[in-house]
Amino acid sequence: DAKTTQPPSMDCAEGRAANLPCNHSTISGNEYVYWYRQIHSQGPQYIIHGLKNNETNEMASLIITEDRKSSTLILPHATLRDTAVYYCIVRSSNDYKLSFGAGTTVTVRA
Amino acid sequence: KAGVTQTPRYLIKTRGQQVTLSCSPISGHRSVSWYQQTPGQGLQFLFEYFSETQRNKGNFPGRFSGRQFSNSRSEMNVSTLELGDSALYLCASTGGDTEAFFGQGTRLTVV
Repeated sequence: DAKTTQPPSMDCAEGRAANLPCNHSTISGNEYVYWYRQIHSQGPQYIIHGLKNNETNEMASLIITEDRKSSTLILPHATLRDTAVYYCIVRSSNDYKLSFGAGTTVTVRA
Repeated sequence: KAGVTQTPRYLIKTRGQQVTLSCSPISGHRSVSWYQQTPGQGLQFLFEYFSETQRNKGNFPGRFSGRQFSNSRSEMNVSTLELGDSALYLCASTGGDTEAFFGQGTRLTVV
């Protein structure tokens, strides 16, 4: 019952920015957008989350459109270690359940 | 601070047996969630515990159960194992802030 749509895969050149889109057209007013990534066979790693304002941390930036129906995760300078499956998830603040979709498989190439 | 610890990391069981997996959350975190990951179904939510009470449950048969102790450590149990239960089982802990932190998982193989 994932509420997000992501492209299945994308390639990125090492050192370039990677822009990962996500559609969440049915998002509710109290729902946040979360991004996680999973490197092969490891547990998912939290990247960033936001409600309506753009957010930035040491890993990435999150750009949320004004209508909140879509967002973009930006990895500013992709490295080979950023190769992973990236999941965009929508959840409300009082519900700790995460509904994972298929995610986007990002491959960073040298 | 220490992360989420799951034990064991790998497990091989025979069909029909039962198994218990353990998860120690980050200190101070009171919510523990469990997920199953298989190549065919992806990451699926099993259940969530908060202060020893199950708050949320996914769509899994009753063979899958869990509990949480007063120190927030959690266990999940799968009875009458089937081949299809082979999966990576992941535990996540959540504290007062809203992001969940995952353990490295337990890889269960049913033969």
